[in-house]
Amino acid sequence: GDSVTQTEGPVTVSESESLIINCTYSATSIAYPNLFWYVRYPGEGLQLLLKVITAGQKGSSRGFEATYNKETTSFHLQKASVQESDSAVYYCALGEAGNTGKLIFGLGTTLQVQP
Amino acid sequence: EAAVTQSPRNKVAVTGGKVTLSCNQTNNHNNMYWYRQDTGHGLRLIHYSYGAGSTEKGDIPDGYKASRPSQENFSLILELATPSQTSVYFCASGGRDRGTEVFFGKGTRLTVV
Repeated sequence: GDSVTQTEGPVTVSESESLIINCTYSATSIAYPNLFWYVRYPGEGLQLLLKVITAGQKGSSRGFEATYNKETTSFHLQKASVQESDSAVYYCALGEAGNTGKLIFGLGTTLQVQP
Repeated sequence: EAAVTQSPRNKVAVTGGKVTLSCNQTNNHNNMYWYRQDTGHGLRLIHYSYGAGSTEKGDIPDGYKASRPSQENFSLILELATPSQTSVYFCASGGRDRGTEVFFGKGTRLTVV
């Protein structure tokens, strides 16, 4: 079936260091999946961080970026310099094509940024 | 701003009792979803809906029912709650276009004792 695998947490980095959270997907039933990164801050619901719906394209938001790589079936999240306010849980997700909007999530990666 | 509101935010229920989790969205979205999140599983889809009067089974529907009486409201019903249904539940809404953003509520923490 379809699935998403991402870096196991928690991931701890110091402020101003670079970050990469790995995400790979398997889309056996979806030819052209949509890929998303969602973030959940403490006490909040999940919110969209960035999305890419076309292979080869890069999405970016709030200093984060991720490139949809169909060859390696990857969608790694990167940031050059993290801030303490980036501490949160990050979810990679795979979306079905079409209008269902259903999402398949990875387990989530907890990021702790130390001042 | 897109909004999804869940109630209650916290609930303690007795095994065998009936639990109703409510969700309201002001986004005028057609699609609505109920997910649960457990350690080691990420978020898993329980039920979803394409519009008022419609409910569809997701990946883990057993033990749950759903109701969509209107565009704005989508409820998740546990007729006979069990301790295995202790979890955090998220409601979400989204449009029908490809790659559309899905908006989530803040979650309901349910404990079944």
